[in-house]
Amino acid sequence: DAGVTQSPTHLIKTRGQQVTLRCSPKSGHDTVSWYQQALGQGPQFIFQYYEEEERQRGNFPDRFSGHQFPNYSSELNVNALLLGDSALYLCASSSGLDVNEQFFGPGTRLTVL
Amino acid sequence: AQRVTQPEKLLSVFKGAPVELKCNYSYSGSPELFWYVQYSRQRLQLLLRHISRESIKGFTADLNKGETSFHLKKPFAQEEDSAMYYCALSGLGIIQGAQKLVFGQGTRLTINP
Repeated sequence: DAGVTQSPTHLIKTRGQQVTLRCSPKSGHDTVSWYQQALGQGPQFIFQYYEEEERQRGNFPDRFSGHQFPNYSSELNVNALLLGDSALYLCASSSGLDVNEQFFGPGTRLTVL
Repeated sequence: AQRVTQPEKLLSVFKGAPVELKCNYSYSGSPELFWYVQYSRQRLQLLLRHISRESIKGFTADLNKGETSFHLKKPFAQEEDSAMYYCALSGLGIIQGAQKLVFGQGTRLTINP
């Protein structure tokens, strides 16, 4: 089991563009959470998906949206990119039986120019 | 509001010396507390959680509800303990299954030889 995987590893976009990040959860996990980690900060919760629905959302604008597929993989979409969206985006997966034990992926480094 | 505070951004100790990484939290309900660690060029991983009461890699942490603290301790630091450490909080029993992790800003621990 490769654990949680994310793609791409790095991404460079310009202001106003749109981006899609992808995440495959650890085998046996059905819940996916997304976090944004700005430089020098701890991860900040964006939202969580379970059974293909957004179950909980952090304090992020509607420009941030997501999706979960029947195979539990997930996408994070960000529209109208701002310079401040530059960050490491982390995906974490967990089992519905113990949603608090989250396993993290390596992250996608997004740079907005 | 849920909040986690790690007052030290940087902590440097000598090998063999005791280590204590401080974590204070703010939460009105019954929290679950975690310590996550990120070694150089590795992904974020769970070190320990208060409900398991385990000692991992010689580290322990006790939840003190009176002082709202969850400090991480190790009696004798080793060079391989050098890493970024994050304290995190998750609420229990608010909305079953819909929990998010709230992270502190992290403490970079350096163990000097």
